[in-house]
Amino acid sequence: DIQMTQSPSSLSASVGDRVTITCRASQGINNYLAWYQQKPGKVPNLLIYAASTLQSGVPSRFSGSGSGTDFTLTISGLQPEDVATYYCQKYDIVPLTFGPGTKVDIK
Amino acid sequence: QVQLVQSGAEVKKPGSSVKVSCKASGGTFSNYAINWVRQAPGQGLEWMGGIIPLFGSANYAQNFQDRVTITADRSMSTGFMELSSLTSEDTAVYYCARGGSSSSVIRGVTHYYFSFIDVWGKGTTVTVSS
Repeated sequence: DIQMTQSPSSLSASVGDRVTITCRASQGINNYLAWYQQKPGKVPNLLIYAASTLQSGVPSRFSGSGSGTDFTLTISGLQPEDVATYYCQKYDIVPLTFGPGTKVDIK
Repeated sequence: QVQLVQSGAEVKKPGSSVKVSCKASGGTFSNYAINWVRQAPGQGLEWMGGIIPLFGSANYAQNFQDRVTITADRSMSTGFMELSSLTSEDTAVYYCARGGSSSSVIRGVTHYYFSFIDVWGKGTTVTVSS
């Protein structure tokens, strides 16, 4: 099975900072990658699918890029409400493996 | 807008089984995939498996292959996940989650594909304790 890794595992940044999270697949998955945000105590929420397509209703400060094995989630201007854990997930074929998550908080 | 309503919290003894239900309301059911994702306390998300009700066949993650059964009742717009031989390590929140699906026929064989998840249930807490 394809393994998913994320880096960093956690980060602390200031309000307004640009934040970048990386997700890597152990084999190529084309652009079959989604990003989810899970705020503390809440249900996960879809941010991006097809590596770079923003889900309806998601603020435009979130963006995604990449294809193949390397992917990036960028928050352009971190806001206090962005404190959360972010997960990538592959969905090319089953199993739909999640990355281990990146915890983001405010410095 | 579709909502996924899950059954209530469960407390189980080690060695027993648990069955969690997930009823879809407000949208179509059969054409989408129903996935099951679990999250142990303080841990990440783990895809357990899923089913596309229209086609009826389930797929499972290798970690759960021998212990989980995922089914769906199209007439009730409800999905089910049963996990057996429970241990304390199965204590977690179990989410049902709707995702897209598709199929293709290659050399006469139908292949089913799951897509990203766009709707989540609120989760069912399962506690395994003696």
